[in-house]
Amino acid sequence: QVQLQESGPGLVKPSQTLSLTCTVSGGSISSGSYYWSWIRQPAGKGLEWIGRIYTSGSTNYNPSLKSRVTISVDTSKNQFSLKLSSVTAADTAVYYCARAAFGLVLYWGQGTLVTVSS
Amino acid sequence: EIVMTQSPATLSVSPGERATLSCRASQSVSSNLAWYQQKPGQAPRLLIYGASIRATGIPARFSGSGSGTEFTLTISILQSEDFAVYYCQQYNNWPPWTFGQGTKVEIK
Repeated sequence: QVQLQESGPGLVKPSQTLSLTCTVSGGSISSGSYYWSWIRQPAGKGLEWIGRIYTSGSTNYNPSLKSRVTISVDTSKNQFSLKLSSVTAADTAVYYCARAAFGLVLYWGQGTLVTVSS
Repeated sequence: EIVMTQSPATLSVSPGERATLSCRASQSVSSNLAWYQQKPGQAPRLLIYGASIRATGIPARFSGSGSGTEFTLTISILQSEDFAVYYCQQYNNWPPWTFGQGTKVEIK
């Protein structure tokens, strides 16, 4: 059974860079045909796909965030990471890491709340 | 970007009744439409994909229909555990895959 777990600071100052890591267990991050993804959800609001990294290592980002987002993978640690630069209060949200196949998410992390505040 | 619009925002239903949720896409997504259920403090759970195919372990009281731009999720006999927020998601076009804003199904 694949499990994902987010980790990283819960509080980030405005204009700084948000950094989160997702640790995958129960399967290799470099096998299969999956999009390892980051999805976020502001409190009381809907879900927004931030970006994805394919098993091959290629990345795709939401155009609305593209200039600020970097997703990378560390296969030796079975982890993938999110960096979101120049954050503002609008970036406050629960951040989920997820595994998507053909655009469908069957496996989600539990989510981690990141608050942007000074 | 394809915009997904769900209605209503909130649906008040009594246990044992039927609930019908709608999702509209700003352009055709064919049948590449999924529904997720989210309970407070939890990650979403996949219910339906391909517009009408139940995911593994999903009860038969959940059904989906539609294609193109208009979709429906029906919960035939609401159980207490079905009160939650439901999201539709299109995975026909990237970038990006997009979700609707959700429909909250609450106890009447």
